[in-house]
Amino acid sequence: GAVVSQHPSRVICKSGTSVKIECRSLDFQATTMFWYRQFPKQSLMLMATSNEGSKATYEQGVEKDKFLINHASLTLSTLTVTSAHPEDSSFYICSAKTGANEKLFFGSGTQLSVL
Amino acid sequence: SQKIEQNSEALNIQEGKTATLTCNYTNYSPAYLQWYRQDPGRGPVFLLLIRENEKEKRKERLKVTFDTTLKQSLFHITASQPADSATYLCALVSSSNTGKLIFGQGTTLQVKP
Repeated sequence: GAVVSQHPSRVICKSGTSVKIECRSLDFQATTMFWYRQFPKQSLMLMATSNEGSKATYEQGVEKDKFLINHASLTLSTLTVTSAHPEDSSFYICSAKTGANEKLFFGSGTQLSVL
Repeated sequence: SQKIEQNSEALNIQEGKTATLTCNYTNYSPAYLQWYRQDPGRGPVFLLLIRENEKEKRKERLKVTFDTTLKQSLFHITASQPADSATYLCALVSSSNTGKLIFGQGTTLQVKP
């Protein structure tokens, strides 16, 4: 089956620093990638949708200047949390879909802890 | 407002029994609905998709029903095993949006040996 690789799986950083999370589709071309965040025992909240070669579409309430998303190729999307603060601590998960295939393939997630 | 609701209380059942999880939605007209499994600290894994014109879908020990009148989907695991213990998420796509998946909060299933 399709594999989505997400790195790092866990990151601890100091407040004010930036963190980059990578999401790669290993054996398929991801025309669309989605970034979610998830707090403990809560649902996945969609942050943004990115299509290869175009700007990401952010959900209401998500700051595009804080959560920079780049989808430079059909196999790679990155999320950069800029000037991270403790309230940004969360589980970030990417997912990818290809063409008209409706199901999503998820990465294994990144647990971000901002001290 | 639009809502997707799953039972937030954990479901505890005995091994071998059938687990039934519920997903209710309001103010959506989904073209299809999906179920995912999520283990702690991991990303969700796709299980089943059911379309609005389908009543039931099966895959091995899994069965999903979709009642667009009741605005409800039921997810069944027959002959449950301890390895089925996980959180199960329903997700739907509204036919009126861009194809984004919106997730329910998930129901945690615990199967006891």
